[in-house]
Amino acid sequence: NAGVTQTPKFRILKIGQSMTLQCTQDMNHNYMYWYRQDPGMGLKLIYYSVGAGITDKGEVPNGYNVSRSTTEDFPLRLELAAPSQTSVYFCASSQSLSALSTDTQYFGPGTRLTVL
Amino acid sequence: QKEVEQNSGPLSVPEGAIASLNCTYSDRGSQSFFWYRQYSGKSPELIMSIYSNGDKEDGRFTAQLNKASQYVSLLIRDSQPSDSATYLCASSGSARQLTFGSGTQLTVLP
Repeated sequence: NAGVTQTPKFRILKIGQSMTLQCTQDMNHNYMYWYRQDPGMGLKLIYYSVGAGITDKGEVPNGYNVSRSTTEDFPLRLELAAPSQTSVYFCASSQSLSALSTDTQYFGPGTRLTVL
Repeated sequence: QKEVEQNSGPLSVPEGAIASLNCTYSDRGSQSFFWYRQYSGKSPELIMSIYSNGDKEDGRFTAQLNKASQYVSLLIRDSQPSDSATYLCASSGSARQLTFGSGTQLTVLP
């Protein structure tokens, strides 16, 4: 299993450009997540999905969009990139178990995005 | 707003010593707690998870949870230079979302 894969690893965007960050998992996990991590900070949840066709906003969704057409893929779309979106973006996935426990989240290697 | 606070660090300990990392959380509905290790430039990896009050041991790592005090800690015994990393505390409630602290940077000095 490759686990969670992300592309690209690095990207530089100009202000106002758009791009899609790709995320794929091969563990048949129901739950998928997008986080951003600013320097010296923890991770902030952008969007998450509990299954194909179902997505919901996290803590910092403004400026981003997501879709989940398959179990495996969860792309993150940046429209009209701004310098404030310069960050490292991590995708993660987890399996669903009982409501009394939360499952381990497995993280991809990250995408380092710079907006100039 | 749900918050997870970690001692700011950075924390330096000599090789072989015990490193103690602390975390408090504000959401009393949080049910599960996690410690992730993150090496510079890498993604977080899970070290420990804990759901019940008390201690949970795994090798050199011990997680401690006190729900009454809303406090979680991670002890690393016999610290090694390879333990040098940023340690992230996270909590999870019924929404299955993780709330992360800002992390504590640990340096183990040879």
